[in-house]
Amino acid sequence: DAGVIQSPRHEVTEMGQEVTLRCKPISGHDYLFWYRQTMMRGLELLIYFNNNVPIDDSGMPEDRFSAKMPNASFSTLKIQPSEPRDSAVYFCASSLGGQGAAGANVLTFGAGSRLTVL
Amino acid sequence: KQEVTQIPAALSVPEGENLVLNCSFTDSAIYNLQWFRQDPGKGLTSLLLIQSSQREQTSGRLNASLDKSSGRSTLYIAASQPGDSATYLCAVNDSGYALNFGKGTSLLVTP
Repeated sequence: DAGVIQSPRHEVTEMGQEVTLRCKPISGHDYLFWYRQTMMRGLELLIYFNNNVPIDDSGMPEDRFSAKMPNASFSTLKIQPSEPRDSAVYFCASSLGGQGAAGANVLTFGAGSRLTVL
Repeated sequence: KQEVTQIPAALSVPEGENLVLNCSFTDSAIYNLQWFRQDPGKGLTSLLLIQSSQREQTSGRLNASLDKSSGRSTLYIAASQPGDSATYLCAVNDSGYALNFGKGTSLLVTP
């Protein structure tokens, strides 16, 4: 397997524009996570899906952020309209099973999408 | 709310030294703890996972320990090499689903 694949790797856009980040999880993995990494706040969980269903989106900063998972092999994170404070590296990660006591499985991260909003 | 702290934030050691990275967490009711490595411009790579019922895990030159009652974990790296230079992150699973990350320790191993 090629691992978790994210695109684009780098995105530079102007404030107010729509940004769409894409993720292809590892085949067979049933959990998908979106994280955001900044110097100030470190890694923060935005949302996660189980079997394509959003389970917890409490980490999504505000209504400008939305995420979808139309099928088991594809997810998107959309920011509309984008703002300079959204500049960060966005990571997608997937795992087989959850991270809970019943079946703690290794989380595999993609290489990330570095977003710069001017 | 779970707080995960890693000390030191940065560390520089000469090649060959043994070293310890520290991680502390505020809520001891965890399912497991994981250590990750992140290289510049790259994603995270899982190194070791310790279940809450375990005391330690070993992989090659790496050994991670967990003292759940005191809210601490350490990552021991033996005979450090320049290729070990990276940021090491500790992450705690206390919800059953997602991980809470520390901000990491940036390690530089000099030849």
